[in-house]
Amino acid sequence: GEKVEQHQSTLSVREGDSAVINCTYTDTASSYFPWYKQEAGKSLHFVIDIRSNVDRKQSQRLTVLLDKKAKRFSLHITATQPEDSAIYFCAPSSSSFSKLVFGQGTSLSVVP
Amino acid sequence: ETAVFQTPNYHVTQVGNEVSFNCKQTLGHDTMYWYKQDSKKLLKIMFSYNNKQLIVNETVPRRFSPQSSDKAHLNLRIKSVEPEDSAVYLCASSPLRDENTLYFGAGTRLSVL
Repeated sequence: GEKVEQHQSTLSVREGDSAVINCTYTDTASSYFPWYKQEAGKSLHFVIDIRSNVDRKQSQRLTVLLDKKAKRFSLHITATQPEDSAIYFCAPSSSSFSKLVFGQGTSLSVVP
Repeated sequence: ETAVFQTPNYHVTQVGNEVSFNCKQTLGHDTMYWYKQDSKKLLKIMFSYNNKQLIVNETVPRRFSPQSSDKAHLNLRIKSVEPEDSAVYLCASSPLRDENTLYFGAGTRLSVL
């Protein structure tokens, strides 16, 4: 089965700097690559995704890069703000009926 | 705006008791899920339902059982809780046109004493 890794358990950046969160996967059939955000004490919500037919997608301050050869995708956050502080989960998927396997999460802290 | 509703928010119980958690979604989605999030924030899928049919059942203990009356509701019953069941249980749903994008409820935190 799919093995998903987020090797950074924590990441701390200064407000205004950029943050990069990485995710690796093993299933070559994975075709959908979303990121979810969980703020302290709250549930998860979808933030951005990328599909396997492109290698870059941007939405405002968020960019997802996909490297299919390396089986890796990353979330880039520019001009970080305190409200970006949260745990970010990647969840690559290959099946039609979602069987999303989540990474372990990366806790991002944006410090003033 | 919340559209996946879970009750209760918290539940404290003792080992061996039976508990039930409710989930309702008002998004008109076709598939619903239960995830377990442990104290280390690790997420594991437990069940998913599509058109009242169980389509994913990861190897969870038999004391867990999903219950669905229609595509808007997916409840979770635990027959005889164990200490390791203490966790946050997250309900989610996804639309037919975009099955891999999940919309989560606020979660039910279970503490087993």
